[in-house]
Amino acid sequence: GAVVSQHPSWVICKSGTSVKIECRSLDFQATTMFWYRQFPKQSLMLMATSNEGSKATYEQGVEKDKFLINHASLTLSTLTVTSAHPEDSSFYICSPRRGDTQYFGPGTRLTVL
Amino acid sequence: TQLLEQSPQFLSIQEGENLTVYCNSSSVFSSLQWYRQEPGEGPVLLVTVVTGGEVKKLKRLTFQFGDARKDSSLHITAAQPGDTGLYLCAGARGGATNKLIFGTGTLLAVQP
Repeated sequence: GAVVSQHPSWVICKSGTSVKIECRSLDFQATTMFWYRQFPKQSLMLMATSNEGSKATYEQGVEKDKFLINHASLTLSTLTVTSAHPEDSSFYICSPRRGDTQYFGPGTRLTVL
Repeated sequence: TQLLEQSPQFLSIQEGENLTVYCNSSSVFSSLQWYRQEPGEGPVLLVTVVTGGEVKKLKRLTFQFGDARKDSSLHITAAQPGDTGLYLCAGARGGATNKLIFGTGTLLAVQP
């Protein structure tokens, strides 16, 4: 089966700092990567879609300058939350796609103090 | 705006009871998936349905895709505590990106 890892699994940071989350597809190449955000007891909300080597496409209401996505290789994508604030505290999940199937990472819990 | 509405939002039942979760939309989807998610983990795929009217069974779970491919249901027979979790439907609209849009979620608690 497809293995997806995220690092870190959890992070606590001070307001105003930037946090980078890595997502790796360990045994397959993903041409498309989706990033989701999930607040407690709520569903997953799609933030952005990125294709390897191209700029990400952001969903309405998601600030592209705040949530920087890099998809430089077929096995690695990063999401950087810049100048994080408490309202950015959430569970961030990456989802690489192989063919017609989306796989999901284990998620990263971000807490901004 | 959430394209996929799930009901109920929360459900607490006793072990052995049956339940149905609904996933409704005004949009047509090329395929629909059901996931179960436990706290602090990513969602795990349960099933994918692609044909209108399709019914799939996975042990005690029965999934149905509406004839018009706008809605779906998940029925669990004789629920067990291990079924506890967040159940999510997700629809794919097709097209170049074919992105997956998640439903509002149903939080199920099965009491022993």
